[in-house]
Amino acid sequence: AQSVTQPDIHITVSEGASLELRCNYSYGATPYLFWYVQSPGQGLQLLLKYFSGDTLVQGIKGFEAEFKRSQSSFNLRKPSVHWSDAAEYFCAVGARGTSYGKLTFGQGTILTVHP
Amino acid sequence: GAVVSQHPSRVICKSGTSVKIECRSLDFQATTMFWYRQFPKQSLMLMATSNEGSKATYEQGVEKDKFLINHASLTLSTLTVTSAHPEDSSFYICSASGGAEEKLFFGSGTQLSVL
Repeated sequence: AQSVTQPDIHITVSEGASLELRCNYSYGATPYLFWYVQSPGQGLQLLLKYFSGDTLVQGIKGFEAEFKRSQSSFNLRKPSVHWSDAAEYFCAVGARGTSYGKLTFGQGTILTVHP
Repeated sequence: GAVVSQHPSRVICKSGTSVKIECRSLDFQATTMFWYRQFPKQSLMLMATSNEGSKATYEQGVEKDKFLINHASLTLSTLTVTSAHPEDSSFYICSASGGAEEKLFFGSGTQLSVL
């Protein structure tokens, strides 16, 4: 069974600082990997996803993530955080093939941005 | 614009009543839809997977007689919470996938409050 771990429950950064949110996964092969962002009471917005190819993935809002097979990680980064980035971030893993779309989510990381 | 529409966004009901939540794919044929549940300050947990025209597959621990899922067409899946109780209060989110593995979209979620 696949699993996802986001070690940091809550991260606080200053506006303009760099950001890295950690994500580790457990899966028998190379999974599909996703990062979503959720504002309070809202649905999920896809930031980026990795299916194959280049292991450095560019997403929306200036986010990027790097798939590292050897570390089973898919960390999310942003060079300069904006106050509007404050939200909860979820890493998710999906199986390939017929189970595509059936995602396992990490516990989430709440990002607080100080002015 | 949104490609998956979920309604209602918020519903309050009395204990013992049933509530139906709709998930519609707006511009693609969703061969598979997924229903997730999210308790406050927790991650999303998959409840069930539904394929158009067949019975839903429920995750372990999810009561299929309580959470009725219907996926009668390629654009609509419904989740009915039967005989709702306060412990069913939660945020319910659907997602839809179809055809190419690029297509996976989430609805905006439904906040259910059972009094």
